[in-house]
Amino acid sequence: AQSVTQLDSHVSVSEGTPVLLRCNYSSSYSPSLFWYVQHPNKGLQLLLKYTSAATLVKGINGFEAEFKKSETSFHLTKPSAHMSDAAEYFCVVSRGGFKTIFGAGTRLFVKA
Amino acid sequence: EAGVAQSPRYKIIEKRQSVAFWCNPISGHATLYWYQQILGQGPKLLIQFQNNGVVDDSQLPKDRFSAERLKGVDSTLKIQPAKLEDSAVYLCASSLGAGAGGETQYFGPGTRLLVL
Repeated sequence: AQSVTQLDSHVSVSEGTPVLLRCNYSSSYSPSLFWYVQHPNKGLQLLLKYTSAATLVKGINGFEAEFKKSETSFHLTKPSAHMSDAAEYFCVVSRGGFKTIFGAGTRLFVKA
Repeated sequence: EAGVAQSPRYKIIEKRQSVAFWCNPISGHATLYWYQQILGQGPKLLIQFQNNGVVDDSQLPKDRFSAERLKGVDSTLKIQPAKLEDSAVYLCASSLGAGAGGETQYFGPGTRLLVL
């Protein structure tokens, strides 16, 4: 069985400060892990994914995430937040393309 | 490249009525997914097709929900009869395949269903 937990339902940061969105997962297999973003009234878009290659994954718009097997974590970070980063972020786990499970989501607020 | 298309975008029905949603995936994508996203929650996978075969429908409420993917391309998701708790956004996604490793899923805009 596998599961994913996003540790914060809401995160608020000031523009220009770092972003940290936390995700823990549970999987009996080597998982594939993803971060998707959902802007208001827009479709879900892939930010980045981990598929057992490099543990530090770089994505679009300056986001990156590090796969830490010992901590079963896949936290999303960005050095400097921009107003346009305000959105809902989902951590996702799957097993070889099957049994896709989304986390509950973290809403990111960016203050001017 | 055209994205995943869904219709209708919005639907309002009364409980116990039936409703159908349509999805056209990205051309050439073998795998198609239907998700249910209830307000304030993450999407939940309802059914996954590979070509025109079902590979996972473990979370599909089969007493009222059905889905098909004719000829391995377009897909329809039907609810009959609808309940109040079916109010949600229904998302369709497609990916090139579903083999080993993480396939990127491309999502459509969704159909927002309100059951009164």
